Amino acid sequence: GAVVSQHPSWVICKSGTSVKIECRSLDFQATTMFWYRQFPKQSLMLMATSNEGSKATYEQGVEKDKFLINHASLTLSTLTVTSAHPEDSSFYICSASRTSGSDTQYFGPGTRLTVL
Amino acid sequence: TQLLEQSPQFLSIQEGENLTVYCNSSSVFSSLQWYRQEPGEGPVLLVTVVTGGEVKKLKRLTFQFGDARKDSSLHITAAQPGDTGLYLCAGAETSGSRLTFGEGTQLTVNP
Repeated sequence: GAVVSQHPSWVICKSGTSVKIECRSLDFQATTMFWYRQFPKQSLMLMATSNEGSKATYEQGVEKDKFLINHASLTLSTLTVTSAHPEDSSFYICSASRTSGSDTQYFGPGTRLTVL
Repeated sequence: TQLLEQSPQFLSIQEGENLTVYCNSSSVFSSLQWYRQEPGEGPVLLVTVVTGGEVKKLKRLTFQFGDARKDSSLHITAAQPGDTGLYLCAGAETSGSRLTFGEGTQLTVNP
């Protein structure tokens, strides 16, 4: 299989606080992990690409200081939303690729973030 | 920037009907994936096509990759309420590169 988990599955926080979301590949090593956000009834928007041991590559318009990404191991990547605001409320989804040359991405179940 | 145009955006049909979802681009893709997503969950990979003209079948679902590798289609035969969901196509320009997602097709199959 190729199972990707995310934790937490949902989180509610107060405006101004920081929230950390974990993405784990459970049964394979993920050279590359991706972070997406998705608004209701819309498609996925890529936020950043992270490779194990190196800095993440952010998409245009995504603030790297606000969305901190750490890919410390081949099975774990974290996304920290710093100083969250209500407009950051969204569905955050991670995905993982087995190798850097693979097109196939395996997606996690997503994390619903609500900022009050 | 690559663009993947997916159509239709919304589709509501009766159980037993057939349907086709299209994914078109002016760019050539090394591969194209189709995903299905249910509310509150992550996308689930249905199929990956890599060869121009390739046709893959998954039970009642038929996927086709265009000869020029710029477009793809998903055909569902005899749709069932369990097919309801958001269908997404996604293409990779080169092997291992980021995926570009289409806008998605929200399919509702009414019993």
